[in-house]
Amino acid sequence: EAGVVQSPRYKIIEKKQPVAFWCNPISGHNTLYWYLQNLGQGPELLIRYENEEAVDDSQLPKDRFSAERLKGVDSTLKIQPAELGDSAVYLCASSWGRGTQYFGPGTRLTVL
Amino acid sequence: DQQVKQNSPSLSVQEGRISILNCDYTNSMFDYFLWYKKYPAEGPTFLISISSIKDKNEDGRFTVFLNKSAKHLSLHIVPSQPGDSAVYFCAASRPRGGSQGNLIFGKGTKLSVKP
Repeated sequence: EAGVVQSPRYKIIEKKQPVAFWCNPISGHNTLYWYLQNLGQGPELLIRYENEEAVDDSQLPKDRFSAERLKGVDSTLKIQPAELGDSAVYLCASSWGRGTQYFGPGTRLTVL
Repeated sequence: DQQVKQNSPSLSVQEGRISILNCDYTNSMFDYFLWYKKYPAEGPTFLISISSIKDKNEDGRFTVFLNKSAKHLSLHIVPSQPGDSAVYFCAASRPRGGSQGNLIFGKGTKLSVKP
């Protein structure tokens, strides 16, 4: 069974540029999470989807971050414009309901 | 304020010996706890979990102990193997009426198992 797929794996951009990350969850998982992991820290939740509904986006900085999961499967996380402090690893995870979360490999973003 | 704390950034253990990783939490309403293992350039991998109604859960070489009165849990790995070398994250579930919800992670402990 395929795991959570994320792309790209690495992204380098200049500040003020836009960037987008894509996630394909494990087949059949209706809940999808986006996490941010800074160096030396644990993952921190940005947004949680149940099917296509964002049920918890309280930690998402909405001035520059946006996310969508239009058909309740794939999801895209966007940053526009990116800032130096956005350099981090962006992790996607999925689960069936509120069961065990399975993580993808992450996208390492470097903002110059 | 950190609700889930892993106070040891690193731990070094000899192969074959026991590894004990510790985790403390502050919110007594947490009802589900998990351990994840992370290798470099990979996402966290689920290892083992425990519900607040239990005080021990075992899976092969891995055992998690929960002390609710002390708000403390620990992960025991016996015997430790070089392949166990990774960063281990403790996570707690925000109260959601008994089901697993959003996770709060600690900062992680880097375990090195030396041959």
